[in-house]
Amino acid sequence: GAGVSQSPSNKVTEKGKDVELRCDPISGHTALYWYRQSLGQGLEFLIYFQGNSAPDKSGLPSDRFSAERTGGSVSTLTIQRTQQEDSAVYLCASSLLGVGTTEAFFGQGTRLTVV
Amino acid sequence: DAKTTQPNSMESNEEEPVHLPCNHSTISGTDYIHWYRQLPSQGPEYVIHGLTSNVNNRMASLAIAEDRKSSTLILHRATLRDAAVYYCILNSGNTPLVFGKGTRLSVIA
Repeated sequence: GAGVSQSPSNKVTEKGKDVELRCDPISGHTALYWYRQSLGQGLEFLIYFQGNSAPDKSGLPSDRFSAERTGGSVSTLTIQRTQQEDSAVYLCASSLLGVGTTEAFFGQGTRLTVV
Repeated sequence: DAKTTQPNSMESNEEEPVHLPCNHSTISGTDYIHWYRQLPSQGPEYVIHGLTSNVNNRMASLAIAEDRKSSTLILHRATLRDAAVYYCILNSGNTPLVFGKGTRLSVIA
């Protein structure tokens, strides 16, 4: 596929369970970003990868949230012991280099509902 | 990254030009001005970006003030499909895009 792919597109989970969200960036893109968007709210930055390292994790809201990236490609965002306030659309984006001078491409997101 | 200020909402008639303003009085010399938009129920999409000179692409034009303290995104002929939230963002390099509240554009048929 030519774009950023996220899976699953929808996820319903019970409070307290762990979830994994996957992002497949555009091939060759070195930078990868995770955001989340609660209903009716703006985009909240979570974490940024350059290659496999994460120079900026400042947006992760708690230690229940973690992310990794392997092979400079696929990234997984893991939320442990989910809470209802974790319900949101989780968006992934990638860019060829940093976004300062190039465009970022966003996936369609994973809608997470914690019941 | 420096802060931007945009109107909360704007309205346009279909097939009319739309000028979306953005103020960024604390912009630094290395900040690029980026515009993204988010259509309903979709992820954001890139619109245009520039540094000092005006820019044109197939989607829009970006007019940048000479002092770079403000810019305007111009949609030459609004269509119903252009109804979205438009974000003006400053970014200087390898840092993430920081999204504000943006301008919600409504297009009236």
